[in-house]
Amino acid sequence: QKEVEQDPGPLSVPEGAIVSLNCTYSNSAFQYFMWYRQYSRKGPELLMYTYSSGNKEDGRFTAQVDKSSKYISLFIRDSQPSDSATYLCAMIYTGTASKLTFGTGTRLQVTL
Amino acid sequence: NAGVMQNPRHLVRRRGQEARLRCSPMKGHSHVYWYRQLPEEGLKFMVYLQKENIIDESGMPKERFSAEFPKEGPSILRIQQVVRGDSAAYFCASSPRETGSSGANVLTFGAGSRLTVL
Repeated sequence: QKEVEQDPGPLSVPEGAIVSLNCTYSNSAFQYFMWYRQYSRKGPELLMYTYSSGNKEDGRFTAQVDKSSKYISLFIRDSQPSDSATYLCAMIYTGTASKLTFGTGTRLQVTL
Repeated sequence: NAGVMQNPRHLVRRRGQEARLRCSPMKGHSHVYWYRQLPEEGLKFMVYLQKENIIDESGMPKERFSAEFPKEGPSILRIQQVVRGDSAAYFCASSPRETGSSGANVLTFGAGSRLTVL
């Protein structure tokens, strides 16, 4: 079993839709949770960063962490064609210092 | 302020040759990380370095792979005697402090170096 599971998609939605992206994880020691966006042939860029359980909002993006269920989500409101990319969840637990553990990524396509 | 610079962006090698991938971290960042991304897979941690020191190489294959981050110059990921299974995108990331430390985590990734082994 992978430490972090993420549906690879692809996920296709019409412009303006609300997108829900999710990851589950098995290691309860994870404490920091991140979402990265990766455009084709580019490096990942950090979108959201949360510590422990709860919600965090940044513009059209909302990150949710439910540690009791070992489940994290990224919501994108009013999706735009420019949101078309692969979204990677990542997490880390203190003590490892360096190793981000990534999901495989979900490919999102927002259509006009 | 340039971001993380990786070169070459694309590298083609024949089986048995050596591949050298270079990474210059962001200005002011002294922590460098290498990740590998195989087709249809997520990024896998390889190695974490600070200047002149390897801090964590637990993700590095035991043979043929090595990494360094000298006092002067870029970090280098070296793959000797490449095989087809080494074909992947190799990403370098840097941060001003180690990831996971209190209040931190700004891992900035480069655009990657794509290695193709024929």
